[in-house]
Amino acid sequence: GAVVSQHPSWVICKSGTSVKIECRSLDFQATTMFWYRQFPKQSLMLMATSNEGSKATYEQGVEKDKFLINHASLTLSTLTVTSAHPEDSSFYICSARDVWLAGRGSYEQYFGPGTRLTVT
Amino acid sequence: AQRVTQPEKLLSVFKGAPVELKCNYSYSGSPELFWYVQYSRQRLQLLLRHISRESIKGFTADLNKGETSFHLKKPFAQEEDSAMYYCALMTGGTSYGKLTFGQGTILTVHP
Repeated sequence: GAVVSQHPSWVICKSGTSVKIECRSLDFQATTMFWYRQFPKQSLMLMATSNEGSKATYEQGVEKDKFLINHASLTLSTLTVTSAHPEDSSFYICSARDVWLAGRGSYEQYFGPGTRLTVT
Repeated sequence: AQRVTQPEKLLSVFKGAPVELKCNYSYSGSPELFWYVQYSRQRLQLLLRHISRESIKGFTADLNKGETSFHLKKPFAQEEDSAMYYCALMTGGTSYGKLTFGQGTILTVHP
């Protein structure tokens, strides 16, 4: 149980185009999902918290208009990198929190496999 | 602001040797700490959390509030323990649950 998927697993796009990454909780409902960015052999940096049915909460220094987050259902959050540039190339990871477990005091995050974005 | 520090980027030990991965944190509130592991080409997964005081795969970690540390220990390392290990701090109260990660330590266990 508690599986999180991401699609696509890797994507190459041209500079100036937009790319959408999906994060799905497959066997549980998630009112809260998190988006992270990871550079090679470095830590995960939290970009934003995605809340079902409301606006995402962005971390300081993360451009809201650049990284659009939509959490339209209890099992899906999307991250759209708009007008991508080479410096946006990175590994993007999402995680999800089980709403049922959270209601019982467990706030464990389940992580997706990540999406490798390369902007040329 | 909260901060998690893992001073060792790389750690190498031989199979059967004890291993300790260091983690220090700074946080003004009551901390909830975790260790996550990422095996090669796999996703991040929870290894253990301090509140449950459990031992997973032989690993243990004790929260020392005086030293603001949460070091991960295993008495006898195995080759399959080779992975990237992240210490993480949960903040914002349990109703929010943001995780702040340390820089990670790559553990290599040699045969």
